[in-house]
Amino acid sequence: TQLLEQSPQFLSIQEGENLTVYCNSSSVFSSLQWYRQEPGEGPVLLVTVVTGGEVKKLKRLTFQFGDARKDSSLHITAAQPGDTGLYLCAGARRNKLSFGAGTTVTVRA
Amino acid sequence: DAGVIQSPRHEVTEMGQEVTLRCKPISGHDYLFWYRQTMMRGLELLIYFNNNVPIDDSGMPEDRFSAKMPNASFSTLKIQPSEPRDSAVYFCASSPRTDSNQPQHFGDGTRLSIL
Repeated sequence: TQLLEQSPQFLSIQEGENLTVYCNSSSVFSSLQWYRQEPGEGPVLLVTVVTGGEVKKLKRLTFQFGDARKDSSLHITAAQPGDTGLYLCAGARRNKLSFGAGTTVTVRA
Repeated sequence: DAGVIQSPRHEVTEMGQEVTLRCKPISGHDYLFWYRQTMMRGLELLIYFNNNVPIDDSGMPEDRFSAKMPNASFSTLKIQPSEPRDSAVYFCASSPRTDSNQPQHFGDGTRLSIL
């Protein structure tokens, strides 16, 4: 069983639409990281959120950490084909990261 | 700057053979992690090292798996004997330290197929 549950598992949208990916857990984490992975490559860090209730923006991407530090969301505004990829959330505890199963996002031109 | 380097990128071998995966972490990073990624189980931590010492190997699936880090710039993950269910993408990652703000830097992985 995954410590972190991501939803949805797959998301296919048209260019210009918005999307939200959710990452939920019953466990508390010291921080939560979001990675993006493209085919044939390793995951690459997008952002780290540390404080409960924290909101971080990275251009068209908005990341939120839940008040209780158990859940997080990633919102993409006006998605572009370049946003296509596997989005992974990872909770940090005791020097280790636990990854969610990932959300495969496809943005159609 | 060079990132984490893994070799080989692809490995196809027959069941029962020994497989050795290699990793060169980013210079100056004290932590090294080995992960396995499959469609069914996602990205799983197998083992991690701090300053070349194995700290947590609770994710290593069986005694057939072993990992070493003889020095700060090299680590290996060995499977002997290999089985078809070991087929997966294996990633190595490194980090300067593991406080909650530090990202892990991943290599591009080794795609392993056991026939």
